[in-house]
Amino acid sequence: EDQVTQSPEALRLQEGESSSLNCSYTVSGLRGLFWYRQDPGKGPEFLFTLYSAGEEKEKERLKATLTKKESFLHITAPKPEDSATYLCAVQAGAGANNLFFGTGTRLTVIP
Amino acid sequence: ETGVTQTPRHLVMGMTNKKSLKCEQHLGHNAMYWYKQSAKKPLELMFVYSLEERVENNSVPSRFSPECPNSSHLFLHLHTLQPEDSALYLCASSMVTNEKLFFGSGTQLSVL
Repeated sequence: EDQVTQSPEALRLQEGESSSLNCSYTVSGLRGLFWYRQDPGKGPEFLFTLYSAGEEKEKERLKATLTKKESFLHITAPKPEDSATYLCAVQAGAGANNLFFGTGTRLTVIP
Repeated sequence: ETGVTQTPRHLVMGMTNKKSLKCEQHLGHNAMYWYKQSAKKPLELMFVYSLEERVENNSVPSRFSPECPNSSHLFLHLHTLQPEDSALYLCASSMVTNEKLFFGSGTQLSVL
């Protein structure tokens, strides 16, 4: 059964304290892994797409990496404005009903 | 106006009401989606309309009825809902199915 698991469920960091969020997956035939950011009262906002193991993408203080079993979202020297819920999604196979989301990690960065 | 626009932002309805959610995308995308987001649960795909196919999650009750009159507009018609249908309903669009989804801000639905 295709599955996506995110950990931790919630994370509190002091401003400047770097850390990583995890997205582990068990799917047959990964076609792509996506990271989204969701602020309260808003829809998810696209951050990155990763397609193959070893691939990395960066955007400001965020860096996403991918292995054959999991992806990490590294946050370097976070700021309070990085506080949000981060969602991971995995596309397993072609077709519109083959995109699976995790439950997200709620990140709080304290000034 | 740009992006994906959803209306209304909030909706409170009784179990016997009929209402519709509206979504409009100004991005020239070819696929549009309805997702349900409940607390501590993964986003649940409800319906997808694209140039290639119309996909329906078989677990979605018939009290939810989608309508896609053209590639820019998507509706979700609601009737005789249950309290457990209370959730955030998100519309999304993409150029290619399941690639880089753009989401609206959602409709927060409460069923009394």
